[in-house]
Amino acid sequence: SQQGEEDPQALSIQEGENATMNCSYKTSINNLQWYRQNSGRGLVHLILIRSNEREKHSGRLRVTLDTSKKSSSLLITASRAADTASYFCATAGGGNKLTFGTGTQLKVEL
Amino acid sequence: ETGVTQTPRHLVMGMTNKKSLKCEQHLGHNAMYWYKQSAKKPLELMFVYNFKEQTENNSVPSRFSPECPNSSHLFLHLHTLQPEDSALYLCASSQDLDRGPESSGNTIYFGEGSWLTVV
Repeated sequence: SQQGEEDPQALSIQEGENATMNCSYKTSINNLQWYRQNSGRGLVHLILIRSNEREKHSGRLRVTLDTSKKSSSLLITASRAADTASYFCATAGGGNKLTFGTGTQLKVEL
Repeated sequence: ETGVTQTPRHLVMGMTNKKSLKCEQHLGHNAMYWYKQSAKKPLELMFVYNFKEQTENNSVPSRFSPECPNSSHLFLHLHTLQPEDSALYLCASSQDLDRGPESSGNTIYFGEGSWLTVV
């Protein structure tokens, strides 16, 4: 069954602006991961946040996790045209089985 | 490059054909996965192998037949597919399934995918 669900489905911003994407999930998790996919390519792992963590940073990425609300957000600061891609959250329950959402399509315009 | 290589990148096949997708990982991982990605749908997990043993078959039709001869190679054999099977098929790997889910070994590395069109 579908676990992560991203919001919004599509987001269009200007270069230099910040982009925020949200992910909601339904059941308990051990960790939540964000992946990026350029059009027609494979997914690339961006960041993993564990269930006992509330915030994590990696370069221009900031991820938050609120387990009480079963939600996470991905913030990309000072966006660039090269950030244009689809972004997926994936939740991990037991073992290594990841369940992905439908993704947010981000377009960063010059 | 993620260390996971898929071939072919594009495949067009008729409904009566038999073809195979190949995946090879150079990361020393022991778990390998097949995912299906269709337009407007979440990524669907199809099969999981851990140390060459199949640990999950997510109710995949028998016209898809996986094979994992060793921890570095994974195949998806295709036979009598339907047009609705047209999709991007993604192979992935991770260290193994025995690590705790809190471990960074839980991270999955994807190949570039094989675009399959069934005509």
